[in-house]
Amino acid sequence: GENVEQHPSTLSVQEGDSAVIKCTYSDSASNYFPWYKQELGKRPQLIIDIRSNVGEKKDQRIAVTLNKTAKHFSLHITETQPEDSAVYFCAALVLGATNKLIFGTGTLLAVQP
Amino acid sequence: GAVVSQHPSWVICKSGTSVKIECRSLDFQATTMFWYRQFPKQSLMLMATSNEGSKATYEQGVEKDKFLINHASLTLSTLTVTSAHPEDSSFYICSARDVERGGYEQYFGPGTRLTVT
Repeated sequence: GENVEQHPSTLSVQEGDSAVIKCTYSDSASNYFPWYKQELGKRPQLIIDIRSNVGEKKDQRIAVTLNKTAKHFSLHITETQPEDSAVYFCAALVLGATNKLIFGTGTLLAVQP
Repeated sequence: GAVVSQHPSWVICKSGTSVKIECRSLDFQATTMFWYRQFPKQSLMLMATSNEGSKATYEQGVEKDKFLINHASLTLSTLTVTSAHPEDSSFYICSARDVERGGYEQYFGPGTRLTVT
């Protein structure tokens, strides 16, 4: 079935360093890949997304890269700040009758001041 | 824009009772809404896709007779957990897709914390 793998499960960085989270998806037909930030007890917040016709997208300190051939996509956060600490989820769209999102297992990012 | 609300934000119920959770799109119409369940320190697991005016599509392993979904209008979907048991205690989150805006983006509600005692 459809599957999204996400690594690492936890990531600790020093403030100002970069953080990279990687995901792999199984459905080669997937064409939409969002990234969400979730703080404890809160709703997931979309931070960036990318479609399959684009290889990279950047929004200030956040960037996402996509390698369709390898079915990999990654989130890059530069100049990390303590407020970036949260759980990050990648997701891949599974095309079908409902166009549903399948989520990765999550990465707990801790930015040490 | 694209605001989704859920009610209640938290609920405690006794084992064996039923609980209804509402998901509303406040400023847009949503033909499709999604219901997720999230256990502590785990990912969002899609339970079912709610389609306005038709039967919901349930994911494999989700009991449709236990998790009743009704999507009676373009702005409201409800999830009823019937005969709740402690193992149903979880964070339930809905999301909706904006019909007019199109695209694939889902807008998430704030979630409902269910505790079954």
